[in-house]
Amino acid sequence: EPEVTQTPSHQVTQMGQEVILRCVPISNHLYFYWYRQILGQKVEFLVSFYNNEISEKSEIFDDQFSVERPDGSNFTLKIRSTKLEDSAMYFCASKPTGREGGYTFGSGTRLTVV
Amino acid sequence: AQKVTQAQTEISVVEKEDVTLDCVYETRDTTYYLFWYKQPPSGELVFLIRRNSFDEQNEISGRYSWNFQKSTSSFNFTITASQVVDSAVYFCALSGSYGNNRLAFGKGNQVVVIP
Repeated sequence: EPEVTQTPSHQVTQMGQEVILRCVPISNHLYFYWYRQILGQKVEFLVSFYNNEISEKSEIFDDQFSVERPDGSNFTLKIRSTKLEDSAMYFCASKPTGREGGYTFGSGTRLTVV
Repeated sequence: AQKVTQAQTEISVVEKEDVTLDCVYETRDTTYYLFWYKQPPSGELVFLIRRNSFDEQNEISGRYSWNFQKSTSSFNFTITASQVVDSAVYFCALSGSYGNNRLAFGKGNQVVVIP
């Protein structure tokens, strides 16, 4: 069964550093998403991406964050100048076009900012 | 705006008992999708079920069943004959029907199955 692949599975970074989280969505999917889950809390929407541009973003997704689809397969989330409160599990998801088709999530990247 | 409420935080059951998780949602969309996801201790999100708003037929899939009541905006989920491997956090989620709609998650139910 097709999977969404996320790398790395765990990243530790120093406060103030930039991190790039990588995702390879399912190949025939056209909608891409990033979600965040702070430890013990609910999963929160960050951003959706379609047709090479951001289609929707939440209030969490401020200027510190950016997304990119640099080639035909990768979908990245960049966090500039990380803060302690950015420590969380970050999930990538993709979805096929149209009304049918559910969201497929990757296994997540656990980001720890120290 | 879409909202999902899961009132119970932690539920403990003895193995082989049934456990029902409550989910109440709010949306202005006339067509929408409802989901249940399982998050085991390893952390990944595992898709369990999806239901369209225009299909209120309740179904059983193995040990999982769900009760969708549009009149009360509820989408409850039951695990029958629980097993220790069912111990996880369960999230109810809601999305609109159009292409890029975000998923709105509830806070989750921590289910602990005691052997």
